[in-house]
Amino acid sequence: EPEVTQTPSHQVTQMGQEVILRCVPISNHLYFYWYRQILGQKVEFLVSFYNNEISEKSEIFDDQFSVERPDGSNFTLKIRSTKLEDSAMYFCASSGDTLDEQYFGPGTRLTVT
Amino acid sequence: AQSVTQPDIHITVSEGASLELRCNYSYGATPYLFWYVQSPGQGLQLLLKYFSGDTLVQGIKGFEAEFKRSQSSFNLRKPSVHWSDAAEYFCAVARFGGGADGLTFGKGTHLIIQP
Repeated sequence: EPEVTQTPSHQVTQMGQEVILRCVPISNHLYFYWYRQILGQKVEFLVSFYNNEISEKSEIFDDQFSVERPDGSNFTLKIRSTKLEDSAMYFCASSGDTLDEQYFGPGTRLTVT
Repeated sequence: AQSVTQPDIHITVSEGASLELRCNYSYGATPYLFWYVQSPGQGLQLLLKYFSGDTLVQGIKGFEAEFKRSQSSFNLRKPSVHWSDAAEYFCAVARFGGGADGLTFGKGTHLIIQP
C-alpha cells in the first residue's frame, strides 16, 4: 500500500540554525500539507501546497517557514532560524484528486536546543 | 473559525467492553468530520469520515461514528475493544472536504485498554 514517508525521524538542532524536513508524498497525489504537534498539544495545520504554490497557510506559518517541491517526488519544509518553540512533531500529508482524505506520514520529531 | 473539542484526555476501557469517544465541533456550516488514530511511532490513520447523507458512518477496524447536528457532536464508538485499539484518537473538521483544506484537530483522547 502506498504511504507517505518522512526523513529524518528525529532531528536535533541548535537555536538559530536552519533545518529542512523532508517528505515523499504518495506518488500520484496532488495536494501536500504540513502540520505540527507540540508535545501535549493538538495537531495544528501549517500550510497546504498545490500546483507548485501555497494554497493556504495558518498564522503559525510565518516568514521563518517555507515549503518547496524541489523535484517530482519530495516536498520539504524549511525553518530558516529555529527557535526553542519550534520543537515539535512535524507531519507531512498528501491527498489525491478525490480530495476526500489526507494520508499522513509518521512524522519528524524536531528538537531545538 | 472552526474548532474541535475532545473533552476526555484519557479513557481506560477493559478489553471486550464498549467504547465511546466524544467529539464536539464548532462550525457555522455543514462540517466535514473525521476521526484519525495514531499508534506510537506511527502517522495518523483515517478511521472514518462524514461528509453528508447517513449520519451513522462505518469505518475501519470495527469503528463507527454518529453525526448529530443538534448536539454538534461526532462521537466515535466501538462495541468491543481489543488490546490493539490502545492509541491516541483525534477528531478533526474541515471546511471543504478532506483533501483541499487544512484540518482542524481536537487535542486527542488517549485510549488505554485494561486486560
